[in-house]
Amino acid sequence: DSGVTQTPKHLITATGQRVTLRCSPRSGDLSVYWYQQSLDQGLQFLIHYYNGEERAKGNILERFSAQQFPDLHSELNLSSLELGDSALYFCASSVGVGGDLSNTEAFFGQGTRLTVV
Amino acid sequence: DAKTTQPPSMDCAEGRAANLPCNHSTISGNEYVYWYRQIHSQGPQYIIHGLKNNETNEMASLIITEDRKSSTLILPHATLRDTAVYYCIVRIHGAGSYQLTFGKGTKLSVIP
Repeated sequence: DSGVTQTPKHLITATGQRVTLRCSPRSGDLSVYWYQQSLDQGLQFLIHYYNGEERAKGNILERFSAQQFPDLHSELNLSSLELGDSALYFCASSVGVGGDLSNTEAFFGQGTRLTVV
Repeated sequence: DAKTTQPPSMDCAEGRAANLPCNHSTISGNEYVYWYRQIHSQGPQYIIHGLKNNETNEMASLIITEDRKSSTLILPHATLRDTAVYYCIVRIHGAGSYQLTFGKGTKLSVIP
C-alpha cells in the first residue's frame, strides 16, 4: 500500500459526460501528479500541483482540469468525454519540489479505470 | 530529460539475478537515473535511483557506468512477483516539477 488513495477504482460513463477523479496523497506529501495510461500512449504525465498551486503541465487536454484543495487532496475533472479518454488515471504524490534526494520519490495510487462507452 | 533505451522484453529464471539494462547516452551531469516498475496495471512503484555511484537498497542494486551513459538494474534473486514492466527514467533534480517521463520499459517475465 503506497498510502495514496484514489477513488473511484472503476468508472463507466457515456460519451459527452463529465467525471471527477479524486486523489488523497500520502500524509505530509505536498505534491500531487496526475498521469494517464492508455494502451496506445503508455504512461503520460498530465499535471502537477504543489501545495495548492499548479506547477507543471504535460499532455493535458483543454477538456481536462485539475485542482488541489487546502487539505491537499486533488481532483481531476474530465469533461466532454470521448471514447479515446478511456484509460487508467494514476495519481502520485511526493513530499515536495526541493532538490533534496529524500523527497523526490513519487508514490502512486492504484488508479482509476475510466471506460467511456 | 534525457531519452532512455531499454530492451522491450526479457526473461529470467526464478531465483536467478535479473539484470535489466538501460542506455541513456545523452544524460547530462545533473540528471539522475530512476527505476520504477509496474506490475500488471497497478500503480508504478519506485525501486531505486542514483547519480553516479552504485546504489543498493532492499529491492535492488543500480550499477551506473563511469561515463554515466548506461546503467543496469539488478534484482538479485528474482521471484515470480517481480514479473512486471520496468521503467528506466532520467530526470533532473532541483527546483521545479519532478514529473516522470515514462518510455515503453522492459517487460520482465520471471519463469518458474
